[in-house]
Amino acid sequence: QKEVEQNSGPLSVPEGAIASLNCTYSDRGSQSFFWYRQYSGKSPELIMFIYSNGDKEDGRFTAQLNKASQYVSLLIRDSQPSDSATYLCAARIQGAQKLVFGQGTRLTINP
Amino acid sequence: DVKVTQSSRYLVKRTGEKVFLECVQDMDHENMFWYRQDPGLGLRLIYFSYDVKMKEKGDIPEGYSVSREKKERFSLILESASTNQTSMYLCATKGEVYGYTFGSGTRLTVV
Repeated sequence: QKEVEQNSGPLSVPEGAIASLNCTYSDRGSQSFFWYRQYSGKSPELIMFIYSNGDKEDGRFTAQLNKASQYVSLLIRDSQPSDSATYLCAARIQGAQKLVFGQGTRLTINP
Repeated sequence: DVKVTQSSRYLVKRTGEKVFLECVQDMDHENMFWYRQDPGLGLRLIYFSYDVKMKEKGDIPEGYSVSREKKERFSLILESASTNQTSMYLCATKGEVYGYTFGSGTRLTVV
């Protein structure tokens, strides 16, 4: 079992709708979670991080964490074509420096 | 903003060559990482370093070595390049609080 799992997609969402990206993790020692966006041919860029159970909002993005279910999600409201990218979920175990990445979900926003 | 610079964007090398990939960061971060990214396999950790002259193996260190003589520079070395090392190589640095900041990546082709 992979430590961080994501549905590879592709996930297709109409423009203006909510895109929902999901991630599960296996190590209960994981303490902090990160969402990266990666455009084709580019390197990943950090868009959200979350440490505590519940929701964290930043503009059109909301990260959700449920440690009991070992589940992290990213919601993108009012999806734009520029949101089309691969989204990587990553987890960090407490005390460790390295991040463990999921395989990424490819998201396409259709105009 | 943290700047992570990888010396080459694209590189073509011959099988058996010794290859050096350089990464330089300007924010005095202690932790630096080398990943490779391949379609369907996601980001895989090769090596990381948490201090000058310190290194730790990641998940796929075989065929690679690293050097960190100065805090700002972390080099990945392919001792004898092989075609299965054709990949996108990503360097990252980590500060105290947030996740990684990635360099722009080096797309290496071994022929």
